Amino acid sequence: DIQMTQSPSSLSASVGDRVTITCRASQSISSYLNWYQQKPGKAPKLLIYAASSLQSGVPSRFSGSGSGTDFTLTISSLQPEDFATYYCQQSYSTRPFTFGPGTKVDIK
Amino acid sequence: QVQLQESGPGLVKPSQTLSLTCTVSGGSISSGSYYWSWIRQPAGKGLEWIGRIYTSGSTNYNPSLKSRVTISVDTSKNQFSLKLSSVTAADTAVYYCARVVYGDYHDAFDIWGQGTMVTVSS
Repeated sequence: DIQMTQSPSSLSASVGDRVTITCRASQSISSYLNWYQQKPGKAPKLLIYAASSLQSGVPSRFSGSGSGTDFTLTISSLQPEDFATYYCQQSYSTRPFTFGPGTKVDIK
Repeated sequence: QVQLQESGPGLVKPSQTLSLTCTVSGGSISSGSYYWSWIRQPAGKGLEWIGRIYTSGSTNYNPSLKSRVTISVDTSKNQFSLKLSSVTAADTAVYYCARVVYGDYHDAFDIWGQGTMVTVSS
């Protein structure tokens, strides 16, 4: 399995803050990296695919970067609706597809 | 727009088979560069990919579940299904169905069902 790690596991931030979440793969996954946002009691929502492509309808304050083993999700100016848990997911290997453990973003 | 809806029993006894169906509405299950997946999430924990199916019937499963999982598709009903046999309490989770869009450098879960809670208990 390709193991995915995320840091930090949680963070507290204020509205308007710039927030950066890191995801690392246990081996190179090229740009096969997606980011999801999940709010309590809801299904995850796709934010970023192929490491840096913004999913249709997702605000431009979300951006992704990286390739190989190290990736970053950045929220340029945190909004009240962005408080949620964020997951990265690799789609380089189906043996199996794997998700990171999540990063919870809450209100400072 | 395309929507997915999971259905099936919310309570399954240990050692029995969990069976869920995902109904696709607002579009054909057979159209476009898509395939279909199941993902689960135990309460308070992370996401685990279970497997995927193309409308051709080709499947891939998570090796950790492969011996117990079957995913099938019924294009005439615009549905795909999950069967997980010999369940234990460790299989208690919210089960999601999802559409997967694929292309250059990505296979991404772009549309999700709302999820259905399945509890394994006697």
